[in-house]
Amino acid sequence: EVQLVESGGGLVQPGRSLRLSCAASGFTFDDYAMHWVRQAPGKGLEWVSGISWNSGSIGYADSVKGRFTISRDNAKNSLYLQMNSLRAEDTALYYCAKDGRFGELLRYWGQGTLVTVSS
Amino acid sequence: SYELTQPPSVSVSPGQTARITCSGDALPKKYAYWYQQKSGQAPVLVIYEDSKRPSGIPERFSGSSSGTMATLTISGAQVEDEADYYCYSTDSSGNHIPWVFGGGTKLTVL
Repeated sequence: EVQLVESGGGLVQPGRSLRLSCAASGFTFDDYAMHWVRQAPGKGLEWVSGISWNSGSIGYADSVKGRFTISRDNAKNSLYLQMNSLRAEDTALYYCAKDGRFGELLRYWGQGTLVTVSS
Repeated sequence: SYELTQPPSVSVSPGQTARITCSGDALPKKYAYWYQQKSGQAPVLVIYEDSKRPSGIPERFSGSSSGTMATLTISGAQVEDEADYYCYSTDSSGNHIPWVFGGGTKLTVL
């Protein structure tokens, strides 16, 4: 069974940093691209960043480019999101998501970790 | 930046057909994906590559795409289908491509 468990969220002041982690199990981690998607309270979904299986291809939403860095450690079956220069508008539930085997993008999702940026 | 446009809300009675649209300039060249999100839950993929249904998704869910519009159709909508629905796509190719979600459509079945 595919499991994605996010951690690292919390309350942080504007301008500070936070690192999110996603622990993956139940599948061959280094076979799949991985993504971060966020959802601000009461708002819609926003794709944040994605990374290919070997980290050779990485993309970011314009809203986080230059501030957030996605990475993965295939030996540890883990995905990360380093978030710097945080802003109030980064407050959201951050989901880790995995593509499927047959072109099913964002087929599996974790339950999310909440990031609150506030002074 | 690229945008996908969805109607904010759609309302149908149980048993009726619900259609949710998603408009984007690149949809003639790029696939659309659809996600269902019930209150307090993580999203669920219901349609991928315009019209394919993942395993475990009921047959009443179908998708199509024509020109700059993709459509999610729920034939014989059930009360349990009440949720927010999001389309997802991109306008880019190659490495480092950004993806976008539509703004979401709240489906009411009542």
